[in-house]
Amino acid sequence: GDSVTQMEGPVTLSEEAFLTINCTYTATGYPSLFWYVQYPGEGLQLLLKATKADDKGSNKGFEATYRKETTSFHLEKGSVQVSDSAVYFCARYSGNTPLVFGKGTRLSVIA
Amino acid sequence: ETGVTQSPTHLIKTRGQQVTLRCSSQSGHNTVSWYQQALGQGPQFIFQYYREEENGRGNFPPRFSGLQFPNYSSELNVNALELDDSALYLCASSLDPRETQYFGPGTRLLVL
Repeated sequence: GDSVTQMEGPVTLSEEAFLTINCTYTATGYPSLFWYVQYPGEGLQLLLKATKADDKGSNKGFEATYRKETTSFHLEKGSVQVSDSAVYFCARYSGNTPLVFGKGTRLSVIA
Repeated sequence: ETGVTQSPTHLIKTRGQQVTLRCSSQSGHNTVSWYQQALGQGPQFIFQYYREEENGRGNFPPRFSGLQFPNYSSELNVNALELDDSALYLCASSLDPRETQYFGPGTRLLVL
């Protein structure tokens, strides 16, 4: 079935380091792709999305490009801050199927 | 504009009991989806309601049931609670089933 695979965490970075969190998906058709972020004790917040191949989603310094040829949607940020510490979820949606999430990647940024 | 709200925020029940969780969708949204997020896992789809009708269901037993009201708010009911039902229950609303889902803060359920 359709699935999303994320790199396993936890990821620990120093402040101002470069971040990459890998995400690949399997899908029939042309899914929409999402990154959601979950801060401690909270629900999910939409971080960014892309709905078709080669689209780039961006928000709060985070970016991800929809790569159909590699079925990937890697999350990147050039300079992380302590406030970016959270769990990041990659997700896909296709047609009438529900949102399918990866297992999440925990990011810890230390000052 | 009010976002998605859920109540209660926390709940403790014992095995075999029943529970009802509530969700108010974002203004203008007619679709509500429910997810279960076990500790350390990604959310798993339970079911979706669109205009008061069930519009898809995940791999959850029938003791998980739901309802959507004319104002598009929704309830999730779980009967005969089991220890494994302990999780964060997330509600998300969207303009329609194909649009981006926006999540509430969740209800944390502990079954003892």
